[in-house]
Amino acid sequence: KAGVTQTPRYLIKTRGQQVTLSCSPISGHRSVSWYQQTPGQGLQFLFEYFSETQRNKGNFPGRFSGRQFSNSRSEMNVSTLELGDSALYLCASSLRSTGGKNEQFFGPGTRLTVL
Amino acid sequence: AQTVTQSQPEMSVQEAETVTLSCTYDTSESDYYLFWYKQPPSRQMILVIRQEAYKQQNATENRFSVNFQKAAKSFSLKISDSQLGDAAMYFCAYRIPTGNQFYFGTGTSLTVIP
Repeated sequence: KAGVTQTPRYLIKTRGQQVTLSCSPISGHRSVSWYQQTPGQGLQFLFEYFSETQRNKGNFPGRFSGRQFSNSRSEMNVSTLELGDSALYLCASSLRSTGGKNEQFFGPGTRLTVL
Repeated sequence: AQTVTQSQPEMSVQEAETVTLSCTYDTSESDYYLFWYKQPPSRQMILVIRQEAYKQQNATENRFSVNFQKAAKSFSLKISDSQLGDAAMYFCAYRIPTGNQFYFGTGTSLTVIP
């Protein structure tokens, strides 16, 4: 079974631009979560989508948004980019949104650099 | 609010030796799940081991084991017979069963010395 894939792997943008990142979960997984990873901050939860609905949201400004499609693929959008948005963005998929030993499987990440 | 703290930003261990990575967390929940994830230099995070809070028995996966102290809210990872492939960033994570939001620590970078 193919793992979680993320595209693109690397992105360079300038301040003020917007960017869209894509995540394809493991086949059959309906939950997709997004994390921002920066040195010293670890992983910070952005949001989770399940069955095309946002289930949970972290403490990020409204410039960060996402959506999920009927095939469970998810996109994350960041508008009006700031230098501080430079980070590794990780996507994780899981079977369900709640319960039990629900494990998250991570993608390789998208490295976003804002100049 | 749930927080996860890893107080050791960097650790090193000699090959074949044992190392313990520390993790503490703060929560008011009684039922939850704890995880250790490994992120090698290639960046793909993989699950190392997990522990259900309602289980008193410490989880074990081959050379990896945990010391779960619920009252102390401590969840340390022990790696026995360390191998070069164990070199990675290790993240401790907490998740409540009623949601899929994981809270991660800031990570411990483990170096394995040949």
